[in-house]
This record gives sequence, C-alpha cells and structure tokens, in this order.
Amino acid sequence: GDSVTQMEGPVTLSEEAFLTINCTYTATGYPSLFWYVQYPGEGLQLLLKATKADDKGSNKGFEATYRKETTSFHLEKGSVQVSDSAVYFCALSVQGGSEKLVFGKGTKLTVNP
Amino acid sequence: GAVVSQHPSWVICKSGTSVKIECRSLDFQATTMFWYRQFPKQSLMLMATSNEGSKATYEQGVEKDKFLINHASLTLSTLTVTSAHPEDSSFYICSAGGSTATSGADTQYFGPGTRLTVL
Repeated sequence: GDSVTQMEGPVTLSEEAFLTINCTYTATGYPSLFWYVQYPGEGLQLLLKATKADDKGSNKGFEATYRKETTSFHLEKGSVQVSDSAVYFCALSVQGGSEKLVFGKGTKLTVNP
Repeated sequence: GAVVSQHPSWVICKSGTSVKIECRSLDFQATTMFWYRQFPKQSLMLMATSNEGSKATYEQGVEKDKFLINHASLTLSTLTVTSAHPEDSSFYICSAGGSTATSGADTQYFGPGTRLTVL
C-alpha cells in the first residue's frame, strides 16, 4: 500500500542553520506530495505541495522537489528561524489533494536562538 | 485563505457518554470532509471520509457504529463518539477538501483539532 517515511526526530538546530528533513514515499499511482506544518497548539497547515515529477514546491523559504527517480520529497530551508519550530509532516495523495492523505510520522523541529 | 473550524476545542466526558464534534468550513464549500485521529507524538490516522449527502467511508479497523459521522451540508460535518471509553481519548482532527480561489485546485484544509479526554 501507499506509505510515507520521514526522518525520525526530534531535530534541534540553531537559528540560521540549514534544514533538511528527508521524506520518501511508496505509491502505486502518481501521487501528489505535500508538506504540512503543525505549530504548537494549532492544526495542520499546508506548507507546500508538488503534483508531478520535477515540480518544486516552495513557501516561506521552504522548498521541496518531487523526485520520482528516488521517490523522495525532501524539505529544505537555507536559514531557519525560531518561529519555524513545529512538527513537519510529509504526506501523499494518489488522486490529488482532496482525496485521502497518507502521512508520515512527523518530525519535530526545534530552533534555538 | 480557507478556514476550517472545529468545536469544541477540548472536551472532558465521563465513560459511557457520547460526544459530538463539529467541523465547519467557513469560507468555502467542502465536497469532502475527512476525520483523523492523532495519538501523542504520532502521525495522523485517517478514520473516515465523508461526502456531503452520502454515507461515510470508514478505514479498516474503525468502528462505524462507535464513530458516527454525518455530513449534512457542504459546510458542516459532525463526528459523534458514542459510549466513549478512556481508550477513545485522543486528538481528533477534521479536514475539508475543496477548491478555493487561492488554491486553484483541490486541497485539504485542516481544523485546529479537538482534544477528547474520557474519564
């Protein structure tokens, strides 16, 4: 079945450090890929998405590129801020975003000043 | 952007009682709504998918008689946990799927979640 594997956390970084959170997927079809972020005490928010191979999703300085050859969608940010501290979830949807999502287990990021 | 609300944000109830959680899409029509359960430090587990005006589709292992879902309109879905027990204590999250002017394509928008504690 479809699944998402993302790097185990927690991840602790200093402000302005480079961030990478790895995400790989297994899917039978042609999935859309997403990164969601959950700030403390809040619901999930869509951070970025990519719907086909080689697409790059970007938002708030975060980027992720849909790599079909490596079945990956790694999240990167060049310089993290304290306000980026949150839990990040990688997810896929085989039939587009409004069909059911399969989530990874989440990676907690803490950025220290 | 699209906003999804949930009510209540938290609830404490006695074992054996039923609890209803509401999920509303405030500024768009949600053709599909999803209900998830999130355990501490774990991912979201999809419980069921509901389309307006039709019966919900439950994921394997989810008791449909225990977790009643109603999606009576394009802006409201409810999840009722019947005869709740302590093991039902969890964080329940809904999401609404639909097209908006900003997303330009079907996207899921998540509610803030409801913390259920069963004593």
